[in-house]
Formats: sequence, structure tokens, C-alpha cells
Amino acid sequence: QVQLVESGGGVVQPGGSLRLSCAASGFTFSSYGMHWVRQAPGKGLEWVAFIRYDGSNKYYADSVKGRFTISRDNSKNTLYLQMNSLRAEDTAVYYCAKPGAGSHGWKVHFDYWGQGTLVTVSS
Amino acid sequence: DIQMTQSPSSLSASVGDRVTITCQASQDISNYLNWYQQKPGKAPKLLIYDASNLETGVPSRFSGSGSGTDFTFTISSLQPEDIATYYCQQYDNPPITFGPGTKVDIK
Repeated sequence: QVQLVESGGGVVQPGGSLRLSCAASGFTFSSYGMHWVRQAPGKGLEWVAFIRYDGSNKYYADSVKGRFTISRDNSKNTLYLQMNSLRAEDTAVYYCAKPGAGSHGWKVHFDYWGQGTLVTVSS
Repeated sequence: DIQMTQSPSSLSASVGDRVTITCQASQDISNYLNWYQQKPGKAPKLLIYDASNLETGVPSRFSGSGSGTDFTFTISSLQPEDIATYYCQQYDNPPITFGPGTKVDIK
């Protein structure tokens, strides 16, 4: 069965860095583009970043562009999100999400989500 | 970016009631719309994709309709386990954007 397990969250000071990981299993990871979506406490869902199946193209929300980097290691079935210059407004639960069957490029529905990892940016 | 709005922001209904949530896009998104259910402390769960297709394993009391800018999500007979927040999501044009959510409670 498909599993997505995020890790790497924690408390970090403003301006600090953190790297999140998402370990994938139960599907052919190297065949799927992957996404990060976040949710600030008590707020709605915000798409953060997308990486194509082979890592050839990466896309970011304007709110994180230039500070966050999405990457993947298909040999380890793992997705990453390197977060630098963190701000208080980056405080959120970060989810990795897998596109469902029939999804292509940006035309996606997310059929599996990880359990999320909490990032708290605070001094 | 395409802006998504939902109404109402919250509702209370009785078990067995028909519940309807609307989602409106700021521009035509064809049928590129999904619906998710999120329970407290849990990840979102896909219910409806491509505006009207029921995800495998999702009860048939959930349904979706619409195209263009106006969409509807319906629970035909509300059950206690349906207490959650529901989000629409468009994927016509990047970036992917979500509606603000509709919180559903039992009266």
C-alpha cells in the first residue's frame, strides 16, 4: 500500500534552515511528479512546490520562491524540501502529496498524503 | 493566480440532512476541480476529482457537479463521521489553489 512519511520538522529561529524529507513506498516513486502542500495552524491548505518525476523541472509558490528548494532522490524513493531564510509565516504542517492516476503535469488530484510534519518558526 | 471561494464557511446540519457546499473560481477552470475532506489532526482525503468523479472507496452519498466557474459538492445524507472541513482545489492553471474550506458540524 502507498505510504508517504514526512520527517524533519521542528522548531527553528527566524532566518534559520530546515530540511524536510518524505519517504515514499508502495508505488513507483520515480514515475510520479511530487508536491509539497502546507497548512498554517487553524488555516487552509496552500500549495508550496512541485517537482517533475525526473527532477527536470521545479516550481514554487511565490511565497517561498528563492528560499525553498524541492528535490528528490529516486534511488532512495525520497522527496525533500530544503527551507532557508525561514519566517514566522512559514509555520505550518507540511505535507507531501502524490498525484492520482490520470494526473499529468499540473493537472493533478492528490490521492495520497503523508501524515504531515510540523515546522514552527519562532524565537 | 486563480482565486477560489467557498460558501458557506461553516454549517450545522442534522444527521440525514442533505448538505450542499459551493465553490467558485475567479475564472473558467473547465472541470479541473477536486474536493477533499479533512478531519482534525489528519491529512486531507480526496473525495471527488475532475469535478464529479467519485474517488475509489468513497461512499456514494458524496457527489460533485459543475464546470466553468461554479461548482457544487453534496452530501446526500449527512452522517456523524462526515464531521470535517471540506476544501475545493483547482488545477487548471498553476499555481494550484485551494478554497478556504467549509466546516461541517452536526446540529
